[in-house]
Amino acid sequence: EPEVTQTPSHQVTQMGQEVILRCVPISNHLYFYWYRQILGQKVEFLVSFYNNEISEKSEIFDDQFSVERPDGSNFTLKIRSTKLEDSAMYFCASRGTGDSNQPQHFGDGTRLSIL
Amino acid sequence: EDQVTQSPEALRLQEGESSSLNCSYTVSGLRGLFWYRQDPGKGPEFLFTLYSAGEEKEKERLKATLTKKESFLHITAPKPEDSATYLCAVRPTFKAAGNKLTFGGGTRVLVKP
Repeated sequence: EPEVTQTPSHQVTQMGQEVILRCVPISNHLYFYWYRQILGQKVEFLVSFYNNEISEKSEIFDDQFSVERPDGSNFTLKIRSTKLEDSAMYFCASRGTGDSNQPQHFGDGTRLSIL
Repeated sequence: EDQVTQSPEALRLQEGESSSLNCSYTVSGLRGLFWYRQDPGKGPEFLFTLYSAGEEKEKERLKATLTKKESFLHITAPKPEDSATYLCAVRPTFKAAGNKLTFGGGTRVLVKP
């Protein structure tokens, strides 16, 4: 069964450093998302992306964050200058076209630890 | 603002002991309610989509129902492999092409043999 894959599974970074989280969505999907889950808290929406542009973003997704689809298969989340509070699990999700109520399918996440 | 509240936070069951999980939601207009299962260290795994009040969906020992204000996930005769966190999420009426999901805090289910 097709799945969303995320790399790396765990990323440890010094505060202030840039980090790029990578995702390969399901191949025929065109809607892409990033969510994060701080330990013990709810899964929170960060950003959605369609047709090579951001379609919606949350208050969390400030100027330190950016997303990109550099080629036909990858979808990346960049955090320019990491803070301690960016430590969380980051989940990528993708959704197919057609019925707009198709579910979002999630990867297994990248655990980001900021030291 | 869309809100999703799940209860209880945690549930310990004996194998075979049926129970229900609750998901209450407040949303301007509901386009879809989604149930996911999340195992430790993994991403949410899709279970069901519910669209309108009165709708029911079933998969093995799980059955999801929807009313205008809440959804229930019934677990019938659970087995230890049903142990997981169950997440509820809502998608509001179409606002933008993004259609973000708003999640509840989840219910951690532990089924003991």
